[in-house]
Amino acid sequence: KNQVEQSPQSLIILEGKNCTLQCNYTVSPFSNLRWYKQDTGRGPVSLTIMTFSENTKSNGRYTATLDADTKQSSLHITASQLSDSASYICVVSGQWGSQGNLIFGKGTKLSVKP
Amino acid sequence: DAGVTQSPTHLIKTRGQQVTLRCSPKSGHDTVSWYQQALGQGPQFIFQYYEEEERQRGNFPDRFSGHQFPNYSSELNVNALLLGDSALYLCASTRQGMNTGELFFGEGSRLTVL
Repeated sequence: KNQVEQSPQSLIILEGKNCTLQCNYTVSPFSNLRWYKQDTGRGPVSLTIMTFSENTKSNGRYTATLDADTKQSSLHITASQLSDSASYICVVSGQWGSQGNLIFGKGTKLSVKP
Repeated sequence: DAGVTQSPTHLIKTRGQQVTLRCSPKSGHDTVSWYQQALGQGPQFIFQYYEEEERQRGNFPDRFSGHQFPNYSSELNVNALLLGDSALYLCASTRQGMNTGELFFGEGSRLTVL
C-alpha cells in the first residue's frame, strides 16, 4: 500500500534553533517528493520539489534531502523563526503529472517559541 | 499575478443541504484539482479537471461532483451534506505539461456542517 509517514507528529523548539523533520514513504513507482508548509487554516505553500535524481534542495533556511534507495526524506530548518510555526507536509508522487497519485503525509506540526 | 483564489472562505450548512465551492486557478494554469482536508489530517484528493472534463477521481462518493468552465475556473458541489463533510476544501492548480508538475493551492474554503 502506498503510504507516506511523517515524524514527529508535533515538535516544539525555541526560536533560533535548528530542527529536522522526517518523511518515510512506500510509494512505488516514485516520481517526485514535495515538501509543503501549511499555516493553520490556510492553503499549503510549496517549499521544495525533488525528483529521484536529486538528493538535496534548498529554499532559503529550508533544506530538503532525499534518499530514493531508503525511501526517506528530511526537511531541515535552520535558525528557526516564529513564522516557521506551521504544519509541514510531505507529498510523494507516484506518477508524473498525475494529481490523483499524490500521496500526502499527515504533516508535522511545528511550534517555534520565543 | 493572482494566485489560486477560492470562495467562500467560510460557510456553515446543515445536514442534507447542498453546497457549491468555487475556484479560480493561477494565471496560466489550466488544470484544477480539489482536495478535502479534515482537521489534523493531510489533504485527500477528490478529483481533477482538465479541458472541462473530470480526468481523475479519488475515493469519494457521487455526492461530490464538479465542473470546469472554459475560463478554467472550477466548482465543487456536494449534495446531501453529512456531518463528516466538515473540512477545509482546497483547490490546487497547475498547467499540463509543466516540467515540475508544481501544484499551487488556494487558501481553502472552510465548510462546517451542523
